[in-house]
Amino acid sequence: DAGVTQSPTHLIKTRGQQVTLRCSPISGHKSVSWYQQVLGQGPQFIFQYYEKEERGRGNFPDRFSARQFPNYSSELNVNALLLGDSALYLCASSLEWGTDSNQPQHFGDGTRLSIL
Amino acid sequence: GQNIDQPTEMTATEGAIVQINCTYQTSGFNGLFWYQQHAGEAPTFLSYNVLDGLEEKGRFSSFLSRSKGYSYLLLKELQMKDSASYLCAVSWGKLQFGAGTQVVVTP
Repeated sequence: DAGVTQSPTHLIKTRGQQVTLRCSPISGHKSVSWYQQVLGQGPQFIFQYYEKEERGRGNFPDRFSARQFPNYSSELNVNALLLGDSALYLCASSLEWGTDSNQPQHFGDGTRLSIL
Repeated sequence: GQNIDQPTEMTATEGAIVQINCTYQTSGFNGLFWYQQHAGEAPTFLSYNVLDGLEEKGRFSSFLSRSKGYSYLLLKELQMKDSASYLCAVSWGKLQFGAGTQVVVTP
């Protein structure tokens, strides 16, 4: 079975531009989360979606937005890109969602975003 | 705060055992997860603890003590392919990660 798939794998943008990153979860997984990972740090939580609704948001500005589609795939949008947005953006899926859920999250290979 | 602290780097010899400690300053989380991440790749799930105690999965074991705010990942019979970053994360549905511990396995 396919794992979590993300596209594109690499992307180069300039400051002020907008970007859309895409994620397809593992078949049967209904929860999708987005994380930002800068070099030398652990992933930082951005958003979590379950059944097409936002279930959690990390400490990121409103330039970051996301949505989940009926087929459980997801998009992350970032507007007005800054140099500091350069990072690896990871998508993770899990079977369930919930503050008491211990379902492991499974990560895709990420999109490496470079801002020039 | 909800800091999650791990050593930055550890070096060990092939065939040896290494213990990666993780301390945290939070409570009320569901479980504590460990992930492995090779350079340029996605984190892969290794182990998790909900209750205090030791969970063993082959060469990898993880331990949790909620009262002490402490967890560790034990890697036995180290292999060269175990050279990677190991990430500790607490879970409230979302994951909060530490910065990771870079393990270098030498011949």
